[in-house]
Parts: sequence; structure tokens; C-alpha cells
Amino acid sequence: EVQLLESGGGLIQPGGSLRLSCAASGFTFSSYAMSWVRQAPGKGLQWVSVISYSGESAYYADSVKGRFTISRDNSKNTLYLQMNSLRAEDTAIYYCAKGGLIVTHFDLWGRGTLVTVSS
Amino acid sequence: QSALTQPASVSGSPGQSITISCTGTSSDVGSYNVVSWYQQHPGKAPKLMIYEGSKRPSGVSNRFSGSKSGNTASLTISGLQAEDEADYYCCSYTGSSSHWVFGGGTKLTVL
Repeated sequence: EVQLLESGGGLIQPGGSLRLSCAASGFTFSSYAMSWVRQAPGKGLQWVSVISYSGESAYYADSVKGRFTISRDNSKNTLYLQMNSLRAEDTAIYYCAKGGLIVTHFDLWGRGTLVTVSS
Repeated sequence: QSALTQPASVSGSPGQSITISCTGTSSDVGSYNVVSWYQQHPGKAPKLMIYEGSKRPSGVSNRFSGSKSGNTASLTISGLQAEDEADYYCCSYTGSSSHWVFGGGTKLTVL
């Protein structure tokens, strides 16, 4: 079955760090760019970051640049998002999505993992 | 990079057609023919409905269609069904450091 499954979310204090993971299955993970998209409670979607199929190129939204790092392990079919210096405004459901860069749309989404930044 | 502009809500009766607009700028919607549309039911992940402006992924009903004129893209749903009630988001590549920008979302109510 083609799917993406995120994990690693939770409650974290402001200034803290968290690493999200996204396990891919059912498609050739190493052939596709992958992205993270987030959704604050009751709000719309916001693109966060994208990484090329090889992992050589990565890009970030201005709001997370310098604090978040996207990476991937193609041998494990897994995408990561390292989040540092977390702020209350980072509170959101984080979705892993297939696509980005050359494929300028997101054709497969995971169920998401909730990150809550609060003291 | 500002979000693309969508109406907050639209509604229609079963069998009718509705159109959701998505207005951007010459830097995003107007420059690239890569607008995509996503359907999101409450508590669920988004689902791709339209990509590259007017293409439908396999498995998406042909009741869904997309178009673009200038800086505005549109999603039309014909033959409205109760299951179409959801939030809809447009998205465009921007070519800038922001890369991708989404619309604020439109809540579709099927009366």
C-alpha cells in the first residue's frame, strides 16, 4: 500500500527541540522530492520545507529557516524534520507529503503528527 | 509571501455546480501553470484533486475541473454531492524563497 506515516510529535516547551519522522512505503522513495506542510489548529495549510530526491538540496519557509532542518535516509525510506528553538507559533499538525521541486504538487500525504509548543 | 486569496465559504445544493476562486499575483499564479487544489475533510489529511492547473489525478472524479485566467485560478465542482462537503485549498509555486504558497482555504457546504 502506498502510504506515508508520520511520528515524533508531542508537547514541547518553548525553546525546545523535536525530531519528526515520516516512514514511506509502496513507492520508490528515493526517486521523489519530499516536503513538510503544517496546519495550525483551525487554520490553513503552510508549506514548511522540501528536500530533493537525493537529499543534496533543501529549502525552507522563511518562518522556519535557521531553526528547522529537513533530511532523509533513502536506505530506510524515511524523511525527517529536526525542529529547534521551537515557538508557540510552531504549534500545528505536521504533514509529510510526496512532491515538491520538479513535481510542483503534493500527490500523497500522511495523516500528520501534532506538535504542541507550550509551557 | 502572502497567502493566495480564496473565499472563506461557498455553498450549493446537490446537483448544482460551484466555483472556488484563488487569486494570487504575477509572481505566483500568474507566472506558473502549476496551481494545485486539495480537498480536506475534517480531521483528515489533504487530498490532491487538481494539479498543473487543470489535470486530475487518477481516481479523482471528472466532476472536478480546474482553470486559470491571469492571476486567478478556479476550481469547479459540478453535480455537487454530499461527500464534496469539505475544505478546499489552492496552492501555487512562487519561484521565490517561499517556494510554495497556499490559499487560506474555502469551506464548501452542500445544502
